[in-house]
Amino acid sequence: EVHLVQSGAQVRKPGESLNISCQSSGYRFTSAWIGWVRQMPGKGLEWMARIYPGDSATAYNPSLEGQIAISTDKSINTAYLQWTSLKASDTAIYYCVIHRVPSEYFDSWGPGTRVTVS
Amino acid sequence: QSVLTQPPSVSAAPGQKVTISCSGRTANIGNNYISWYQQLPGTAPKLLIFDTKKRPSEIPDRFSGSKSGTSATLDITGLQTGDEADYYCASWDSSLRAVIFGGGTQLTVL
Repeated sequence: EVHLVQSGAQVRKPGESLNISCQSSGYRFTSAWIGWVRQMPGKGLEWMARIYPGDSATAYNPSLEGQIAISTDKSINTAYLQWTSLKASDTAIYYCVIHRVPSEYFDSWGPGTRVTVS
Repeated sequence: QSVLTQPPSVSAAPGQKVTISCSGRTANIGNNYISWYQQLPGTAPKLLIFDTKKRPSEIPDRFSGSKSGTSATLDITGLQTGDEADYYCASWDSSLRAVIFGGGTQLTVL
């Protein structure tokens, strides 16, 4: 059974950097795309990015490209989402997901990491 | 404003059937698979339907998905109070080069 464990809630100020993580288990980490979906307060879902740990191939939502970075550490089965300069509008819950390609759906979800930028 | 359009809310009585619609265009629903997600209050979303009409093994057959042209629907039969949640459709958009979601539909089981 796939299990996604995300890092805890974070509070940052605008302009600060941040790195949140998602450690996975229950499957071969290098053989499935892993990504991030965000949910702003009281709003719907937005796909952000995905990465294939096997070869580090990435795909970003064009509306967010340049604002975030996705990466992995294969040695500890962990994916990361990184910001170099946070904005108040980055306040959201960030869900780690297993992203099935080419059908483009998310079949496993982490519990979410709440990020507050204020 | 979401690229995929869903009704903000639907409601029905326990035991009844409800249909949630998701309207898009050729670049997304028309030419790609649809998935549906259920988000219970205060929890992470859960996959209900993938590849337009397939269900993960743990999802009961009360939930079904379909598509016609540039619109998709999620049907829920035998409604239960535990089905009260927000429901989201999603699809790849070939023009935007992104997975896009509908704005979500809040289901109330009266």
